[in-house]
Amino acid sequence: EAGVAQSPRYKIIEKRQSVAFWCNPISGHATLYWYQQILGQGPKLLIQFQNNGVVDDSQLPKDRFSAERLKGVDSTLKIQPAKLEDSAVYLCASSLVGGGGTGELFFGEGSRLTVL
Amino acid sequence: GNSVTQMEGPVTLSEEAFLTINCTYTATGYPSLFWYVQYPGEGLQLLLKATKADDKGSNKGFEATYRKETTSFHLEKGSVQVSDSAVYFCALNGRDDKIIFGKGTRLHILP
Repeated sequence: EAGVAQSPRYKIIEKRQSVAFWCNPISGHATLYWYQQILGQGPKLLIQFQNNGVVDDSQLPKDRFSAERLKGVDSTLKIQPAKLEDSAVYLCASSLVGGGGTGELFFGEGSRLTVL
Repeated sequence: GNSVTQMEGPVTLSEEAFLTINCTYTATGYPSLFWYVQYPGEGLQLLLKATKADDKGSNKGFEATYRKETTSFHLEKGSVQVSDSAVYFCALNGRDDKIIFGKGTRLHILP
């Protein structure tokens, strides 16, 4: 079974530029998550989708971050314009159900962003 | 709100030593608890989980017991190996179905 795919693995941009990350979850997984992991910290949830609807985006900085999940399958996370503090690894995860209770999250390898 | 606190690293041990990584949580209701592991160059993966009080999760020689009275979920292993070197994250899922992670504990095992 193929895992969660993310691209690009690495991206270096200058501040005020834009960047987009792509995620393809495990086939059949209804729930998709984007997490931000800053060096030395645990992953922080940015947005959670159930199929193509947003369940939670309370911690997404909506003035610069946006995400969509068209057709309830793959997803794109965009940052525009980027700031220095956006340097982090962006993790995509998926799960069969809501991830809650006995649910397990499956993570991709992450996309490492460096903003100069 | 819900939160997870785990011991700061890095933790450095010799091979075959006993390991404990402490984790405590704050949550309303009865969350599910998890330990995730991130090996060098790899993505996060679930190590073990427990869904109710007194449950013990176990995998790959690691164990953790859900202690409601002390709101803890400490990770233990009786004899660590070099291959256990990784970053370990304690996490919880509360009634709001959001998984919250601790800051992670980096573990180094010396041969």
